[in-house]
Amino acid sequence: GNSVTQMEGPVTLSEEAFLTINCTYTATGYPSLFWYVQYPGEGLQLLLKATKADDKGSNKGFEATYRKETTSFHLEKGSVQVSDSAVYFCALSPSPVGGGGNKLTFGTGTQLKVEL
Amino acid sequence: SQTIHQWPATLVQPVGSPLSLECTVEGTSNPNLYWYRQAAGRGLQLLFYSVGIGQISSEVPQNLSASRPQDRQFILSSKKLLLSDSGFYLCAWRGFSFGNGYTFGSGTRLTVV
Repeated sequence: GNSVTQMEGPVTLSEEAFLTINCTYTATGYPSLFWYVQYPGEGLQLLLKATKADDKGSNKGFEATYRKETTSFHLEKGSVQVSDSAVYFCALSPSPVGGGGNKLTFGTGTQLKVEL
Repeated sequence: SQTIHQWPATLVQPVGSPLSLECTVEGTSNPNLYWYRQAAGRGLQLLFYSVGIGQISSEVPQNLSASRPQDRQFILSSKKLLLSDSGFYLCAWRGFSFGNGYTFGSGTRLTVV
């Protein structure tokens, strides 16, 4: 079946540090890949996505590249801010073979804490 | 544009009381709808999903039920709440485009006391 594995948190960084949150996946075919962000007390928001191999998704200074050869979609940001403190979820959508409710498969989430 | 509404935002209910959480979507038709629960502010557990009116699939057997009485309305219910039902409940919708993910509601924080 499909699965997403994220690095365990919490990840604690100083402001302006470089961020990497690892995400690897298991899926057949060519899934779409997503990163969601959840700020405290809120629902999840789509941060970025990539729908085919070698695509790079980017938003708000965050980037992730769809690497089919390593089945990875690592999230990166060159300089984090205190306002980036949140929980980050990696997710995949399987190839459109139909059925199954069109569900996403989520990782367990990685909490990021950015300190001054 | 599409929007999703979820209410109430917070709820404190006694053990054994009933529950009804409502989710509605605007600006789209025939969406796939989902209920998730998040415990301890971390992982997401898919509870139910629906691909159409009256069509409900349950992912985890439990004390909860779901209904979809209208195309853009999804309701999560319980006849008698348990302490273990406490958590953060999230509704989400998705269209049929392969490249699109979910759009989530703002969530309901349920505390069973």
